[in-house]
Amino acid sequence: DTAVSQTPKYLVTQMGNDKSIKCEQNLGHDTMYWYKQDSKKFLKIMFSYNNKELIINETVPNRFSPKSPDKAHLNLHINSLELGDSAVYFCASSQRTGESPLHFGNGTRLTVT
Amino acid sequence: GDSVVQTEGQVLPSEGDSLIVNCSYETTQYPSLFWYVQYPGEGPQLHLKAMKANDKGRNKGFEAMYRKETTSFHLEKDSVQESDSAVYFCALTSSQAGTALIFGKGTTLSVSS
Repeated sequence: DTAVSQTPKYLVTQMGNDKSIKCEQNLGHDTMYWYKQDSKKFLKIMFSYNNKELIINETVPNRFSPKSPDKAHLNLHINSLELGDSAVYFCASSQRTGESPLHFGNGTRLTVT
Repeated sequence: GDSVVQTEGQVLPSEGDSLIVNCSYETTQYPSLFWYVQYPGEGPQLHLKAMKANDKGRNKGFEAMYRKETTSFHLEKDSVQESDSAVYFCALTSSQAGTALIFGKGTTLSVSS
């Protein structure tokens, strides 16, 4: 009965490759997010979708492309991976944007070699 | 833009010590304020919240008061336990639709027995 689940948990790949991370939530929430956590634990918003519509797109390279096939799923595709993309990527969901608390998945640790 | 500044780095109390982790925020909106906690290998989870000025969030002996006059939301506990060891994030979100949670840089709490 996991609320927000993301796969894979670990992803090790070489520079230049393309990879995807999948996320699903079973909370019935309308809004989903991708956050990036760097090696110093800093969490930064990347994208947010509300009911399949992109509403937040922070300054993220075009190599990152989110896709939301329905409001329960938000995937992240990354093209031409670079060393600096190594981080933990967290998916999250909330009932709506603004004041609602976020529910996070357990993260995907991406290592680019 | 919105920002959150909190006690950085590590805090190293002994069991039974009192704790204050400072958090200050900047925003032009009317924010809701949160503390999130992150255990190793997991995503951040909501620890406590305060939705408006003078609200006090409480959870597991921790408290934080939403102080608009000093733009602060310090996390306090009278007597910490080893099981409280984790990374704590102060965060805000505004009431404006389409906004995401903005995090501070995190404080690592390591309680020794």
